[in-house]
Amino acid sequence: GNSVTQMEGPVTLSEEAFLTINCTYTATGYPSLFWYVQYPGEGLQLLLKATKADDKGSNKGFEATYRKETTSFHLEKGSVQVSDSAVYFCALNFGNEKLTFGTGTRLTIIP
Amino acid sequence: DAGVTQSPTHLIKTRGQQVTLRCSPKSGHDTVSWYQQALGQGPQFIFQYYEEEERQRGNFPDRFSGHQFPNYSSELNVNALLLGDSALYLCASRDRGTDTQYFGPGTRLTVL
Repeated sequence: GNSVTQMEGPVTLSEEAFLTINCTYTATGYPSLFWYVQYPGEGLQLLLKATKADDKGSNKGFEATYRKETTSFHLEKGSVQVSDSAVYFCALNFGNEKLTFGTGTRLTIIP
Repeated sequence: DAGVTQSPTHLIKTRGQQVTLRCSPKSGHDTVSWYQQALGQGPQFIFQYYEEEERQRGNFPDRFSGHQFPNYSSELNVNALLLGDSALYLCASRDRGTDTQYFGPGTRLTVL
């Protein structure tokens, strides 16, 4: 079946550091890929998405590129802020089917 | 434009009881999915409703059931609650144009 493997957390960085959160997937075919973010006590917010190979999703300074050859969708940000502290989830789906999530990576940014 | 809304925000029940959670999708969205998120875990798919019918189902027992109304809102019912049902229950509605699911804030269920 489909699955998503995320970099284990927690991740702690200083403000303005470079961020990478790794995500790889296993799927039959070419799914759409997503990053969702969950702030403390809240639901999930869509951060970015990509629907085909070599697509780059971007939002709020975050980027991720759909790499078919390595089945990866790593999340990056050049300079993190304290307000980026949250849990980040990588996910995949096919069309209107269910989302399959990774276990999440907790990110803490220290001033 | 209101996003996905869920009620109640928090709920405390005891083992063996039954619970109903409610969800209203974003305007223009007609497909609703429910997910269970245990503490420290990623969300797990429960089921999806479209045109008032259950279209897909995850690996959850029959104690979990749902309903979708003509206005596309949905309910999740859980019978015979177990301690392990304690979780954040998330509802998502689908934007048909972009095939993207948007989540509500969730209902935190605690079973004592």
